[in-house]
Amino acid sequence: SAVISQKPSRDICQRGTSLTIQCQVDSQVTMMFWYRQQPGQSLTLIATANQGSEATYESGFVIDKFPISRPNLTFSTLTVSNMSPEDSSIYLCSVGGGWVVTEAFFGQGTRLTVV
Amino acid sequence: GENVEQHPSTLSVQEGDSAVIKCTYSDSASNYFPWYKQELGKGPQLIIDIRSNVGEKKDQRIAVTLNKTAKHFSLHITETQPEDSAVYFCAATPVIGNQFYFGTGTSLTVIP
Repeated sequence: SAVISQKPSRDICQRGTSLTIQCQVDSQVTMMFWYRQQPGQSLTLIATANQGSEATYESGFVIDKFPISRPNLTFSTLTVSNMSPEDSSIYLCSVGGGWVVTEAFFGQGTRLTVV
Repeated sequence: GENVEQHPSTLSVQEGDSAVIKCTYSDSASNYFPWYKQELGKGPQLIIDIRSNVGEKKDQRIAVTLNKTAKHFSLHITETQPEDSAVYFCAATPVIGNQFYFGTGTSLTVIP
């Protein structure tokens, strides 16, 4: 199993500002994932972050809006840039999967409110 | 890509009754099907999973069934308890690749 710590757990931000969310894993993992969960909705994958390469973004998400860093095998950050109220969501990082697929482990999420 | 549909979106049952949540998927390459429980303010947590070479799996009050031909899988919770109240998500993922495709969630309420 993997233990994932996310910081901050919640934040209220002014529109136009940026917030960086940190994700720390207690073991080395090849791939980390960032999801968005809008209120009452399911999880939507934002991007996949591999260590040592550029993140791969899903349709509808762009690097300028959601830059991701992956400096090592246990850590990643997601920045929500130039925020608007529509960015108010829960952001979750996840690890798991792989060529021999295993369960995905999730952090507790970051609840972001943009005012 | 994969498309996972989940029904119902909300479900209320009396304590002690059974609850059934159903999901369908579109990509025949998917071979791993986990179910997650998400309580308020927490991230999703795995409760049970099934792989494509198995038709049914049970863990105490929770069971999952898989019909690969029809491309659907279901979560069964028996003898429900108030602490089972949460949002449940199904997911599917193929052998190659790592992305999990999630259903839209089912909000389960167990009425004491």
